[in-house]
Amino acid sequence: KAGVTQTPRYLIKTRGQQVTLSCSPISGHRSVSWYQQTPGQGLQFLFEYFSETQRNKGNFPGRFSGRQFSNSRSEMNVSTLELGDSALYLCASSLELAGGWYQETQYFGPGTRLLVL
Amino acid sequence: DAKTTQPTSMDCAEGRAANLPCNHSTISGNEYVYWYRQIHSQGPQYIIHGLKNNETNEMASLIITEDRKSSTLILPHATLRDTAVYYCIVRAIQGAQKLVFGQGTRLTINP
Repeated sequence: KAGVTQTPRYLIKTRGQQVTLSCSPISGHRSVSWYQQTPGQGLQFLFEYFSETQRNKGNFPGRFSGRQFSNSRSEMNVSTLELGDSALYLCASSLELAGGWYQETQYFGPGTRLLVL
Repeated sequence: DAKTTQPTSMDCAEGRAANLPCNHSTISGNEYVYWYRQIHSQGPQYIIHGLKNNETNEMASLIITEDRKSSTLILPHATLRDTAVYYCIVRAIQGAQKLVFGQGTRLTINP
């Protein structure tokens, strides 16, 4: 079974632009979470989507947004990019069979490395 | 904030067992211990998790103390490819999907 895939793998943008990152979860997985990793702050949770609804959100400004499609694929968007948004953006998926609140193992994709100039 | 404490770095000789400790003294009865690792610039890789019993899979073993306040991840025969940052994470059985990562342990396997 294929793992979590993320596109693009690398991206260069300039300040003020906006960017959209894509994540395809493992087949059958229904929950998708996004994380940001920077040298200074480490790995931080952005948000989680299940059944096209945002279930949980981390402490990030409103410039960071996301959505999930009916096939569980997810996108995240960052508007008005700042230099500090340069980071590795990671997507993780989990099964969530019952759609309930039981924690299930998250599996990560390779990430998208974003550089903001 | 992360609910775990890990050593910043460790070294291990290739072929030997690598034992990575983790303290989680405030863990509650409905929380699992999860281990992930991250090889440079890649996405974190799931290794193993447990609630209160020791667990073993093809990658590693997880030993959880009886009081559940600490655990040890064991890589039985470390190879150079096991060089990575290892994260110990405590997460609730129920609740929103969210992993809280600490700084982890940077494990270096030496030839």
